[in-house]
Amino acid sequence: NAGVTQTPKFQVLKTGQSMTLQCAQDMNHEYMSWYRQDPGMGLRLIHYSVGAGITDQGEVPNGYNVSRSTTEDFPLRLLSAAPSQTSVYFCASTWWPKLGGEKLFFGSGTQLSVL
Amino acid sequence: EDQVTQSPEALRLQEGESSSLNCSYTVSGLRGLFWYRQDPGKGPEFLFTLYSAGEEKEKERLKATLTKKESFLHITAPKPEDSATYLCAVQAQETSGSRLTFGEGTQLTVNP
Repeated sequence: NAGVTQTPKFQVLKTGQSMTLQCAQDMNHEYMSWYRQDPGMGLRLIHYSVGAGITDQGEVPNGYNVSRSTTEDFPLRLLSAAPSQTSVYFCASTWWPKLGGEKLFFGSGTQLSVL
Repeated sequence: EDQVTQSPEALRLQEGESSSLNCSYTVSGLRGLFWYRQDPGKGPEFLFTLYSAGEEKEKERLKATLTKKESFLHITAPKPEDSATYLCAVQAQETSGSRLTFGEGTQLTVNP
């Protein structure tokens, strides 16, 4: 299993450009999420999904869109990039067994710079 | 609002020098407390989940404990390969399996 795969690893955008960060998992997990990591602020939840066709907002959703058409894929779209969106983005999928012991599996991250 | 505070921000140890990292939290009903390890340029890697006060879990040189207000990650006789940032996160009872609140982390350096 590859686990959680994110592309690209690095990206530089100009203010106002749009782009999509890709995330795919091969573990058949229902739950997936996007976090951003900034110095001094820890990981913050952007959007999450509890299954195909179902998404919801996290702590910092403004400026981002998501969709979940399949169990495997959960892309994150930046509609009009701003310098405040410069960050490292992590996608995660959650293994959530009925008896507890859930674990989040993270991808290796996308480092995004918006100039 | 759920909050997680980790201390210290950074910790330098000599190889073999045991110590503890602290995670203080406030949450409206704890579903689970998580510890992750993060190496530079990589995503967080799962270490432990703790669910109730008094619970302890161990993995190699690491031992995690939980009280009603805080969690400790004890590192016994650390080695240089234990150098990493250790993240603590909490999940509230009413949230789904993806919604965690993270602390800022403790950056651990173990010198040979």
